[in-house]
Parts: sequence; structure tokens; C-alpha cells
Amino acid sequence: DAGVIQSPRHEVTEMGQEVTLRCKPISGHDYLFWYRQTMMRGLELLIYFNNNVPIDDSGMPEDRFSAKMPNASFSTLKIQPSEPRDSAVYFCASSLSGGKYEQYFGPGTRLTVT
Amino acid sequence: QQQVKQSPQSLIVQKGGISIINCAYENTAFDYFPWYQQFPGKGPALLIAIRPDVSEKKEGRFTISFNKSAKQFSLHIMDSQPGDSATYFCAARPGSARQLTFGSGTQLTVLP
Repeated sequence: DAGVIQSPRHEVTEMGQEVTLRCKPISGHDYLFWYRQTMMRGLELLIYFNNNVPIDDSGMPEDRFSAKMPNASFSTLKIQPSEPRDSAVYFCASSLSGGKYEQYFGPGTRLTVT
Repeated sequence: QQQVKQSPQSLIVQKGGISIINCAYENTAFDYFPWYQQFPGKGPALLIAIRPDVSEKKEGRFTISFNKSAKQFSLHIMDSQPGDSATYFCAARPGSARQLTFGSGTQLTVLP
């Protein structure tokens, strides 16, 4: 299995631009999580989906952030407009329903907003 | 109540020594306590996990000790190796939900 795939791995953009981060979960996994990691705030859960439906988006910082999961194999996290304080590493993770709760993380997207 | 407090923030250990990282929680609804290991430039990966019905779980050189009454759990790395140098995160899951609450992380450096 290829694991969780994220793209791009690095993104540098100017303040005010739209940024779209992409994630392909492990095939068969029905939970998908988006996290943000910074030195100051650590690893924060932004939103998670179950069977493509958003379950908890309470961690999404503000309306500039939106996430979608149009099908079981693809999700996007969009920031519009982007701001320098959005600079962070964004991780996508997936897991399987049932008694095992292990989350499998992707390699992350390092976002720099100048 | 949703917080998981982790200490120390950083830890330096000599090769062969024991590394100990501690976490504490308040929410008694937490029922699953994993530890994740993260190497630079990589995503976190599950290292070992425990449920509150046992007080200790060991996998190779890694052991979780769990104290339900004190609401604390810790990771012990025996015979620490330079390859163990990474950031370690404790986490907890409330029984009613699927998401994990992560601690702030501990950067472990094992000196050769």
C-alpha cells in the first residue's frame, strides 16, 4: 500500500492567494483527518470526515479555511485568502472504523505564506 | 478538560540510557492512549498504545506505564539508541468520538 499521499509537499505563496492542499487516504479507510502542526501550537486537529461526511470541524480556525471530501479517495483543504500566520505543516491522516484507532499520517505539506 | 499535558519539552539521553516522557490528562472519558513517533520531515507514526484496563504494555524496548487513579501515563524507552532521536507525542481519545487529542510533544535526542 502506498500509504496516505499528500500534495504538494511544499507550497510557497503570497499573502492573499488561494491555497489548496490535497490528500489521498489509504484505500478502504473511512476516516480522514486534517491536522496543522506549528512550533507554537503543536499538532492541532482541524476537521475530520467519516464516509466523506464532515463530522467535527470545530478546529477549523476561521472561515478562510474550508475542507471537502468529494469521494472516498480524495480530500482537499483550501485556504482563501491565505495569511502569513497560516504558515505551518499540514498533515492528512486516515484510519479504519472498528476497534483499532490507529491513524496513518501522510508526509505533510509545508506551507509558507509570505 | 480536553487537554493532554506532556513533559518534558526536550530530553537528552546518553546511548543505552532510559528515556522517560510523561503525560497527564483530566478527562475521565479518555479510553485509548497512544504514543506517536515523528522523525524530521515525516508524519507521526503510531509507536505503541494502551487502554485503561491494563497498567503496563511493553513492545520491545518501548513500555507504556498507565496510572488510572492519577490520570497519568508515561513512555519508557529502554536502552535508548541514536536512532530513537525523534519527537514523541502522547495522545488520548475520548470514548465517544474518533479524534485524538495530542500532547505538545517531546524532542528526544540520544547521544552516541
